[in-house]
Amino acid sequence: QSALTQPASVSGSPGQSITISCTGSTSDIDGYNYVSWYQQHPGKAPKLVIYDVSNRPSGVSNRFSGSKSGNTASLTISGLQAEDEADYYCGSYTTSSTPVVFGGGTKVTVL
Amino acid sequence: EVQLVQSAAEVKKPGESLRISCKGSGYNFINYWISWVRQMPGKGLEWMGRIDPYDSWTNYSPSFQGHVTISADKSISTAYLQWSSLKASDTAMYYCASRPRSGDHFDYWGQGTLVTVSS
Repeated sequence: QSALTQPASVSGSPGQSITISCTGSTSDIDGYNYVSWYQQHPGKAPKLVIYDVSNRPSGVSNRFSGSKSGNTASLTISGLQAEDEADYYCGSYTTSSTPVVFGGGTKVTVL
Repeated sequence: EVQLVQSAAEVKKPGESLRISCKGSGYNFINYWISWVRQMPGKGLEWMGRIDPYDSWTNYSPSFQGHVTISADKSISTAYLQWSSLKASDTAMYYCASRPRSGDHFDYWGQGTLVTVSS
């Protein structure tokens, strides 16, 4: 069981916006602004798309945005495209037994 | 261009030992921590542990402590993950990932090394 909770799947039509939630606790998301999001296409390595809650690395589309409220972080993908179909994982710094925890992953399907 | 290049896929028998590698290039290797992340077939990401290549200080997840060893050779910009006695349950994809000293995220990832343990 992952320390961070994500929905198993989210879907949307091309052009729509979708939001993926990531729920944690005061030991991680609610206590620190070190939430990150990773995109993983089938058979590929994860790729960083958001760090420190809402920052985009160079080269990542501005269609990806992140936010946080209390113990829940969110990743929003606007103007959904076929290439966005992938698994998405949230991650956070934590004061628990490990310094890093991941969510269980969310499969995004473009209808 | 920053790259983490991992060693090739391995097929081993239970009880055998193994060391896989992760070579960094395009940046100063000692400026980033290296973590290892396991992904079992069809499953999510699990943080295993990390190393500071500057002084080889390590930190492990309790789930992996004692079963794997993380090391690094900064002279050749390479980190390692090793097992002394593999189990079938170690079958998974293993990724190395870099974490900047000033942040708590993984900005670059290796391509992954598939380890298959089967009798």
